[in-house]
Amino acid sequence: AQSVSQHNHHVILSEAASLELGCNYSYGGTVNLFWYVQYPGQHLQLLLKYFSGDPLVKGIKGFEAEFIKSKFSFNLRKPSVQWSDTAEYFCAVRGAGSYQLTFGKGTKLSVIP
Amino acid sequence: NAGVTQTPKFRILKIGQSMTLQCTQDMNHNYMYWYRQDPGMGLKLIYYSVGAGITDKGEVPNGYNVSRSTTEDFPLRLELAAPSQTSVYFCASSPRTSGGSPLHFGNGTRLTVT
Repeated sequence: AQSVSQHNHHVILSEAASLELGCNYSYGGTVNLFWYVQYPGQHLQLLLKYFSGDPLVKGIKGFEAEFIKSKFSFNLRKPSVQWSDTAEYFCAVRGAGSYQLTFGKGTKLSVIP
Repeated sequence: NAGVTQTPKFRILKIGQSMTLQCTQDMNHNYMYWYRQDPGMGLKLIYYSVGAGITDKGEVPNGYNVSRSTTEDFPLRLELAAPSQTSVYFCASSPRTSGGSPLHFGNGTRLTVT
């Protein structure tokens, strides 16, 4: 079975600080990996995804993530956060051949102006 | 395209009542999903469907039922509502599961059972 672990429950940063949110997954084979963002009161939106090729993936709004296969990790990064990045961030994994997308418990990011 | 549409947006149920959460998508996606989201717990898969007439249980199916008579619609049924079913419910769809195809989410239904 596939599973996802997000290291931080709540992260508080000042504007312009750098961000890194941890994500580790458990699955024995090829995986597709995703980061979704949920702004307050809204549905989940895709930030970025990895399914093959370059392990450094760039997404929308200046976010990027690096897939490190040896560490089963897919950490999300942004060099300089803005107040508008305040949201909850979810890492998700889907094993090759699986219909199911499994989500982590989420990390709430609060950016202080 | 409207994408994934969920109705209602909010609902309050009494214990033991039943209701159907509606979900429809206009993207001709084969795969559809129902998730519930509880604070601090992420999203848990309730049921999913790989095409019309085919459904399967996810991680937390107890107390729910689904049907998929058409490609577009994937309603979620609660037969005997319980307080543990208080949650936000999201429907999602995907054209396929290969090649990193992401899920497209609806706006959610916030359900309270009292």
